[in-house]
Amino acid sequence: GQQLNQSPQSMFIQEGEDVSMNCTSSSIFNTWLWYKQDPGEGPVLLIALYKAGELTSNGRLTAQFGITRKDSFLNISASIPSDVGIYFCAGVNNAGNMLTFGGGTRLMVKP
Amino acid sequence: NAGVTQTPKFRVLKTGQSMTLLCAQDMNHEYMYWYRQDPGMGLRLIHYSVGEGTTAKGEVPDGYNVSRLKKQNFLLGLESAAPSQTSVYFCASSYTGGLALKQYFGPGTRLTVT
Repeated sequence: GQQLNQSPQSMFIQEGEDVSMNCTSSSIFNTWLWYKQDPGEGPVLLIALYKAGELTSNGRLTAQFGITRKDSFLNISASIPSDVGIYFCAGVNNAGNMLTFGGGTRLMVKP
Repeated sequence: NAGVTQTPKFRVLKTGQSMTLLCAQDMNHEYMYWYRQDPGMGLRLIHYSVGEGTTAKGEVPDGYNVSRLKKQNFLLGLESAAPSQTSVYFCASSYTGGLALKQYFGPGTRLTVT
């Protein structure tokens, strides 16, 4: 099946620092999604990207849909303790009804 | 409005036992999904349903069965549990069409098979 590779697998940063993570695929996706999962909870959708080259922000979060349609990036500016969690990228299949998830990036923030 | 709920939250099974996980949503969503989450592997789709009375296989369907007798409920069954099925199971639901991209997840069920 399709594979999504996320990096880094984990990050331990100081509060206030900016964070970057990315997701790459061996296949093209027409839509990229970024989710956050808090401990003991299900994932929550943060940002959806629908067009190659698109740059979208949601508060301190900014995500970009790569030009090749095989990658996506998520940046978090001025991190705070509540940013702790696992961030997942997901690509949408051509039919638009199935997601393929990356392995996740675990973010830890030191106050 | 409870969103997506899952029961039970935790369960321990012995190898060979059977059980059913229940997912319920009160958002009148057409699509429902069952995923499993294993360390370092993200979420993998087990089965999904695009409407009442319909089901389809996802990426890892073997060893599981599902039923969608009512629009608001999606059941995941394990007929003969195996240790490889130890995982956290998430249910999700979404609207149809392009809005199917926005999936709402339940809190998860942690299953251990010994």
